[in-house]
Amino acid sequence: GAVVSQHPSWVICKSGTSVKIECRSLDFQATTMFWYRQFPKQSLMLMATSNEGSKATYEQGVEKDKFLINHASLTLSTLTVTSAHPEDSSFYICSAISGVVYFGPGTRLTVT
Amino acid sequence: QKEVEQDPGPLSVPEGAIVSLNCTYSNSAFQYFMWYRQYSRKGPELLMYTYSSGNKEDGRFTAQVDKSSKYISLFIRDSQPSDSATYLCAMSLGSQGGSEKLVFGKGTKLTVNP
Repeated sequence: GAVVSQHPSWVICKSGTSVKIECRSLDFQATTMFWYRQFPKQSLMLMATSNEGSKATYEQGVEKDKFLINHASLTLSTLTVTSAHPEDSSFYICSAISGVVYFGPGTRLTVT
Repeated sequence: QKEVEQDPGPLSVPEGAIVSLNCTYSNSAFQYFMWYRQYSRKGPELLMYTYSSGNKEDGRFTAQVDKSSKYISLFIRDSQPSDSATYLCAMSLGSQGGSEKLVFGKGTKLTVNP
């Protein structure tokens, strides 16, 4: 199947700092990518839809000024968690479409 | 009522058992149904993908969709310890290959004991 990568796989940051997470489609072009958040023992919750060359579409309740999404090319979308707080600690997963939806390996964010 | 309901388990079975995982849903407009397997601290991996009602088989895995009952199932035959993971059902309205937004169940944690 198609390959989606994420970087970093694990990051620890201090409260108040910003963290950028990258999502790349390695062997296909993706005009649309999705960002999910998963808390322990919970299912994936869609945060936003990232569209290449245009603004992201955020789900209800997700702060667009806190979770900045940039989809600058057909193979790269970035999620920046601004002014991170401990409650933002979670597993962030991106996905992209190549026929069906493929997921990246996830990024574990811990905010201390 | 949540859009997708899935028993979180945990489910523990002996090696070689037949495993049945299920989800129910409320939105009759869903047309694409997927099962993903997620190992601890990893992203979900697509296992099976089905359009509309019917059965689909792939090796030891069989996916069933009953749209009239709004009920989907995943069967695992001859289960192996390597099948131990969390299994997530997902569905979408998507018109192209099950793409677009997915709605997930909570996931069922399966342990296959050797």
